[in-house]
Formats: sequence, C-alpha cells, structure tokens
Amino acid sequence: AQSVTQLDSHVSVSEGTPVLLRCNYSSSYSPSLFWYVQHPNKGLQLLLKYTSAATLVKGINGFEAEFKKSETSFHLTKPSAHMSDAAEYFCVVSDRRGSYIPTFGRGTSLIVHP
Amino acid sequence: ETGVTQTPRHLVMGMTNKKSLKCEQHLGHNAMYWYKQSAKKPLELMFVYNFKEQTENNSVPSRFSPECPNSSHLFLHLHTLQPEDSALYLCASSRGQPGNTIYFGEGSWLTVV
Repeated sequence: AQSVTQLDSHVSVSEGTPVLLRCNYSSSYSPSLFWYVQHPNKGLQLLLKYTSAATLVKGINGFEAEFKKSETSFHLTKPSAHMSDAAEYFCVVSDRRGSYIPTFGRGTSLIVHP
Repeated sequence: ETGVTQTPRHLVMGMTNKKSLKCEQHLGHNAMYWYKQSAKKPLELMFVYNFKEQTENNSVPSRFSPECPNSSHLFLHLHTLQPEDSALYLCASSRGQPGNTIYFGEGSWLTVV
C-alpha cells in the first residue's frame, strides 16, 4: 500500500527567502516519488522525480528534493523564492512493485509575498 | 507541451445537454486517466484505462461515461450533469508500469448551468 501526506496546506514566504514544502510517504516497496506544480488555470507539470538513484534530486526552476528513507520524507526546497513560484504543489508516490496508479497528496499552496 | 492534449479547454453546458471531453496522448503510453479537480478539494481519480481496458472506476456517477477506443485516445461523455459537477477535468497518461511518471494535459474547464 502507498500513501502520501503533505504536512502543510498553505506555505507563505517572502520573495528571495527559502522555500520548504514538506511531504511524508508510506510505501510497501521501493517508491518512486514525484513533485508536480500547478499554476492557476493550468494542468500539473512535473518538477522532479526520484527513482532510486541519487537521493538529492534536482528539478526545474531551481527546485530540489531529498529522499530520506529513515524519515520517510521527500521535502521540496528552493533557496530563493520568486513571485512566479506561487502555485499549488503536489507530492506523489508510486510503488515500483505495486499498482501503477500513483497516489497524490492533497496539495500545498505556495504564496509568495513581494 | 507535455504530449497530452485535451479539448475543449472550456465547456459550458446545461443540465440536459450531452457533451464529450476528448484527450489524446502522443507519448506512446498504455495507461490513460481521468481526474476531477474541484475548488478546495483534493484531486479525485475517476477512471483508469490500461491497454484500452478499464482498470479503475472510482465510484463515479453514471452520468459520466468514459470511452477508450485505443491507447492514444480517451473520452469522457457527459449527460444530465449537475451544477456540482462543474470542475477542472484533467486527463493524464503513463506507461502503465509501477513507478512510472504520469503526464497531464492542460485540463478542460467544465461549467454546468
């Protein structure tokens, strides 16, 4: 079985400050983990994915995430927020030996203040 | 451009109308998905097809009827909808293997009046 919990429904930061969006997962097997971003009135776009190679994964637009098996976490970070980062972010888990249907978190809304 | 195209992007329909949403993927994938996204609610999985066979129906009302004629095309037929069905409908595709990446279209905004 697989599940994912996004620990914050909203995160508010000032432009130029670091971003941290938290995600914990549960997986019966080795998981693939993903972060997606959804800008207003758009579909979901893949930011980055972890599939068992390096535990620190770099994605688009300066985002990165670190897979921590001992903490069952896959938090998304960015050193310096930009106004254009304001969006909804989804953490996703997919067992690599279970169902091919991924499980989505409830989403975290990132608000960036000027 | 993700390789998943949805049409129409916007649809307004009356409660007695019949309309369809179309999705096409150009990624050579085998699995296709319909999701519903309503304001203030989590993403809801509606239907999944893998190799044209329906593998998931998440207790969706019968006024939503999916069709998957081949691995590249997916339709969602709509009839006698309710105002609460107004939402963003997202189509997605993947290779249909555990751990695969899922790719989304831009969505179809549906308003039921």
